[in-house]
Amino acid sequence: GENVEQHPSTLSVQEGDSAVIKCTYSDSASNYFPWYKQELGKGPQLIIDIRSNVGEKKDQRIAVTLNKTAKHFSLHITETQPEDSAVYFCAASLANAGKSTFGDGTTLTVKP
Amino acid sequence: GAGVSQSPSNKVTEKGKDVELRCDPISGHTALYWYRQSLGQGLEFLIYFQGNSAPDKSGLPSDRFSAERTGGSVSTLTIQRTQQEDSAVYLCASSIHTGTGNEQYFGPGTRLTVT
Repeated sequence: GENVEQHPSTLSVQEGDSAVIKCTYSDSASNYFPWYKQELGKGPQLIIDIRSNVGEKKDQRIAVTLNKTAKHFSLHITETQPEDSAVYFCAASLANAGKSTFGDGTTLTVKP
Repeated sequence: GAGVSQSPSNKVTEKGKDVELRCDPISGHTALYWYRQSLGQGLEFLIYFQGNSAPDKSGLPSDRFSAERTGGSVSTLTIQRTQQEDSAVYLCASSIHTGTGNEQYFGPGTRLTVT
């Protein structure tokens, strides 16, 4: 089955700096890669996703890149703000079926 | 519109008792998932329902865990003879498979504490 590894497990940055979280996956058949943000006491919420037919996707301060050959994808947050502090999860799955396999999460702390 | 709801939000039970956790998915979503999240940990897949297909139960940790989905909507996760290691947040999610992605919408979770 699919295996997703996520690094780092914790990340602390200064407000305004950039943050990068990286994930690798094992199943070359996976073609859908979402990123979720989980705030304290809440369920994860989708913030951005990418499909295997594109290499990069941006949404304001958030971007995701995908390297299918190397089987890794990354989340980039620019101009970080304290409200970006949360746990971030990557996941990999087939776009049209089945469960997603999640990484173990990254706790991001943005210091004002 | 309404999101995924779960009840109860918190449940404290004594070791050995049975518990039922409820999930109301988003209307029209054909897929429903249950996950377990221990304190400070990632999401552990438990079970997945898709339409009328047989559920994927590959993540259930023991035969004390079971789940059903009635009428293709509401789901109940049942844990029998609870143990202290069952203490965790149980998250439910639903999605609609469009063929281009299966974005999951999560509920707020049920925090289970077994004393």
